[in-house]
Amino acid sequence: GGIITQTPKFLIGQEGQKLTLKCQQNFNHDTMYWYRQDSGKGLRLIYYSITENDLQKGDLSEGYDASREKKSSFSLTVTSAQKNEMAVFLCASSSGTGFEQYFGPGTRLTVL
Amino acid sequence: GEKVEQHESTLSVREGDSAVINCTYTDTASSYFPWYKQEAGKSLHFVIDIRSNVDRKQSQRLTVLLDKKAKRFSLHITATQPEDSAIYFCAASRDSNYQLIWGSGTKLIIKP
Repeated sequence: GGIITQTPKFLIGQEGQKLTLKCQQNFNHDTMYWYRQDSGKGLRLIYYSITENDLQKGDLSEGYDASREKKSSFSLTVTSAQKNEMAVFLCASSSGTGFEQYFGPGTRLTVL
Repeated sequence: GEKVEQHESTLSVREGDSAVINCTYTDTASSYFPWYKQEAGKSLHFVIDIRSNVDRKQSQRLTVLLDKKAKRFSLHITATQPEDSAIYFCAASRDSNYQLIWGSGTKLIIKP
């Protein structure tokens, strides 16, 4: 088995601040994802990456940057935090798109 | 854009009864339909999926049915148990190169 870890678990920032969320997986999966889950709603894809150094935009990429420098890690940057993007950010990985995704525990973002 | 809809936001059944959670999708080209479960305070994990080359798939107490004509798929849980209580998310995608489109979730409550 493997595990996905996300840091930090809770992230508090000021409006307009640049914030970075990190994700690590030890499944040796090629594909990694960042999703945003707003309270009571489904998941929306921000970015995904099918291999090291690859980046693909999801429907919600505006206002975010991502980086996949190593196969095992995928980071997400909120370029200018806004109050309306307070949510849980979920990282996931899979052996490829169209296959079972394994999710991390999430980072809850609060913007003051 | 393409959508996946879960019409029941909450479903309550008695322990031991069956539960059915329904989803509809708009993209006729969708071919992959996974289901994920999110227990209270936890992240998502995969439960079962179906691909468009079949119309039924069973795994123990779970069965997924796919009706391509109606663009509808459903998750059937038999002999429900307290540990089935969770939010269930359905999703759909075209094929392995496309992102998943997620439903908004159905909260399943198992009453004693």
